[in-house]
Amino acid sequence: SQTIHQWPATLVQPVGSPLSLECTVEGTSNPNLYWYRQAAGRGLQLLFYSVGIGQISSEVPQNLSASRPQDRQFILSSKKLLLSDSGFYLCAWSPLQGSLATNEKLFFGSGTQLSVL
Amino acid sequence: AQSVAQPEDQVNVAEGNPLTVKCTYSVSGNPYLFWYVQYPNRGLQFLLKYITGDNLVKGSYGFEAEFNKSQTSFHLKKPSALVSDSALYFCAVRSSGSNYQLIWGAGTKLIIKP
Repeated sequence: SQTIHQWPATLVQPVGSPLSLECTVEGTSNPNLYWYRQAAGRGLQLLFYSVGIGQISSEVPQNLSASRPQDRQFILSSKKLLLSDSGFYLCAWSPLQGSLATNEKLFFGSGTQLSVL
Repeated sequence: AQSVAQPEDQVNVAEGNPLTVKCTYSVSGNPYLFWYVQYPNRGLQFLLKYITGDNLVKGSYGFEAEFNKSQTSFHLKKPSALVSDSALYFCAVRSSGSNYQLIWGAGTKLIIKP
């Protein structure tokens, strides 16, 4: 069966420090991968998505970047964190094969609560 | 522009009573509609989806949702609420003509009181 791992679960970082959040998927190949941010336990904002190794699409101009060095690995990074980067970050994957419509189901990681102080 | 509206920030229901969490959408093509649930400090879990076919869709944990094209709605329902149903519920939509992205509602907090 497929699983998604996201770590760390919580992170407290000072302003101006770098960030690296990692997400890996097991039990599937060539998944679509996503990074979302959720502010204050509410709406989801899509940050990045990837349809393949090295292919990253950015949805929101910001202080963050994403990379996909391997098929099932997705990394969210920042060189210098801002206070506004605080939030709950969620990684997700969806199957690529078959119909995009019927395979639209997203599988989410357990999230990382990031506090920038 | 595509959008999803969840008009209620919070819904309070007594245990055992039926519940409804509302969702309306606006898309340019045929809609693909989804409901997800989020428990505290956790990722989202898929509940159900409507792609085509029967307007009444059944999902996990006894939930169902009814697609109403004329009202552009996809309300989530359950005949008898449980305290364990208390969580944050998200509606999402994608049009048949768009890319990989889902448009998400702001979420509705469901509180089931014993």
